[in-house]
Amino acid sequence: AQKVTQAQTEISVVEKEDVTLDCVYETRDTTYYLFWYKQPPSGELVFLIRRNSFDEQNEISGRYSWNFQKSTSSFNFTITASQVVDSAVYFCALSEGNRDDKIIFGKGTRLHILP
Amino acid sequence: DTEVTQTPKHLVMGMTNKKSLKCEQHMGHRAMYWYKQKAKKPPELMFVYSYEKLSINESVPSRFSPECPNSSLLNLHLHALQPEDSALYLCASSQVQLPGGYTFGSGTRLTVV
Repeated sequence: AQKVTQAQTEISVVEKEDVTLDCVYETRDTTYYLFWYKQPPSGELVFLIRRNSFDEQNEISGRYSWNFQKSTSSFNFTITASQVVDSAVYFCALSEGNRDDKIIFGKGTRLHILP
Repeated sequence: DTEVTQTPKHLVMGMTNKKSLKCEQHMGHRAMYWYKQKAKKPPELMFVYSYEKLSINESVPSRFSPECPNSSLLNLHLHALQPEDSALYLCASSQVQLPGGYTFGSGTRLTVV
């Protein structure tokens, strides 16, 4: 069965610090997709990134970077030089290749960036 | 237009009421979704529509009735709800067969009294 674990329930850091959000997944499929979503207090989920299981290249987008390691089944997310606007709940999610219309979310990590 | 619009933003209803949630997108997405999110929990999939046809029903109670009148609209009809159905209801859309790259609406916060 597929599963996504975000062990960090809540993290607080001071503005401008770097912070890494951990995500560990389980799946029996060789084809799967991993995602990160951000949910600010306003409620909508904002899609950040999708990575397929065949692409282990790390990705950087501005202050955001993602480290995908199949060997440890992890897909970690780092925010560099954090800002107060980064405060949100961040969800890691997984979909298996044969169920690309269904994604399973982790329980989320609530990130507080303190001014 | 790159948004998914949900109305109303807040809804309070009694257990004997009938109400509907509405979701609209004009991005040409042919897959639309309803998710339910309880406080401090991740979203849970309820229904998936693909090309206006219901493709997934995650064993949702019949008091929730989805409808997709056209490719831009998705409704969720509510009847005889229970207080435990109080939650944030999120609509999302995506291109078909493009997993997970959903555009979510900001949700309807539903309270059943």
